[in-house]
Amino acid sequence: ETGVTQTPRHLVMGMTNKKSLKCEQHLGHNAMYWYKQSAKKPLELMFVYNFKEQTENNSVPSRFSPECPNSSHLFLHLHTLQPEDSALYLCASSQGYGDGYTFGSGTRLTVV
Amino acid sequence: GIQVEQSPPDLILQEGANSTLRCNFSDSVNNLQWFHQNPWGQLINLFYIPSGTKQNGRLSATTVATERYSLLYISSSQTTDSGVYFCAVEYVNYGGSQGNLIFGKGTKLSVKP
Repeated sequence: ETGVTQTPRHLVMGMTNKKSLKCEQHLGHNAMYWYKQSAKKPLELMFVYNFKEQTENNSVPSRFSPECPNSSHLFLHLHTLQPEDSALYLCASSQGYGDGYTFGSGTRLTVV
Repeated sequence: GIQVEQSPPDLILQEGANSTLRCNFSDSVNNLQWFHQNPWGQLINLFYIPSGTKQNGRLSATTVATERYSLLYISSSQTTDSGVYFCAVEYVNYGGSQGNLIFGKGTKLSVKP
């Protein structure tokens, strides 16, 4: 374990389902991030939270809804997804500017 | 926005060989990290290297920020080194208190026994 835990590891959902991805960090970091990794594409930054406040939304469709109840937990709520949303979703945390990132193991999402 | 280019995109090595992976970036950045992604998707931080040279076992990295590139050296490669190596650069976004990582497309390394 790296200190950043993501659940579930794998998720298959239909286009009409609602599901949530969970991320938890035990490193005392202040910032948490969601990244999306699709086949043959660079990792894309989706959302950034700093001290529980969302500081960046990288033009992500509204069918992805993040939630950060405290500095240790981050959720990504999913609803009415499309097959092209199938990807590896990675969570990361950092202390802040000038600090390295620690990534979780990711959730591999398949939308059918 | 900042562009991050990695080369080569694919690399096949025989076990025991050495290799150099390159990362070019298009603008001044504050920090740079190298990651290894294993076959299960886990991203492992290898180096946090805004400038200078660092070494960790068979791996070493050098960043020349003024010339906007970084190099990752792998010596005496092993089959467990296989995976994708990513370079990521950091820019400041929120009041200077945090950075956001922008990733290159990665170099896929396959080490054959």
